[in-house]
Amino acid sequence: NAGVTQTPKFQVLKTGQSMTLQCAQDMNHEYMSWYRQDPGMGLRLIHYSVGAGITDQGEVPNGYNVSRSTTEDFPLRLLSAAPSQTSVYFCASSRGYRGISIETQYFGPGTRLLVL
Amino acid sequence: QQPVQSPQAVILREGEDAVINCSSSKALYSVHWYRQKHGEAPVFLMILLKGGEQKGHEKISASFNEKKQQSSLYLTASQLSYSGTYFCGTSAPLVFGKGTRLSVIA
Repeated sequence: NAGVTQTPKFQVLKTGQSMTLQCAQDMNHEYMSWYRQDPGMGLRLIHYSVGAGITDQGEVPNGYNVSRSTTEDFPLRLLSAAPSQTSVYFCASSRGYRGISIETQYFGPGTRLLVL
Repeated sequence: QQPVQSPQAVILREGEDAVINCSSSKALYSVHWYRQKHGEAPVFLMILLKGGEQKGHEKISASFNEKKQQSSLYLTASQLSYSGTYFCGTSAPLVFGKGTRLSVIA
């Protein structure tokens, strides 16, 4: 199993550009989520999904869109990049039960994004 | 709402013990604990699903008081490899605290 994979590893964007961060898992996990990590702020939840076709907002959803058309993939779209979105982005997945992460949450290696 | 962790940072000598606390203002279904090394992704330590349950992983254990909405992580006889930032996560959905930076020195 590859676990949770994220692409790209690094990205530089200009303000106003859009892009999609890819996330895929091969463990048949129901629960997937996106976090951003900034110094001193910990891991903040952007969006999450409890299954294919079901997504919901987390703590900091503004400026980001997600969709979950398959169990395996959970892409994160930046609509119009801003310098405040410079961060490290982590995707994670786990088994779920009634919308709750009930087991080990596996993290991808992260995407480092710089918005100029 | 992010759970609140304390302390924010702690420095230990090898062999010393430490406790990291995590509290939430909302009802909890589960508590997760992770450790992150610099430049790496967080790594799972343990999850607690029941009130008052205590779990162990080598010399690291944790407790979960569902009624008080609190959890504590206990590190005993610390080793250099324990250094890193520890995060507690509470659900649902799974949100994390700001982390506790633990440094173990020889």
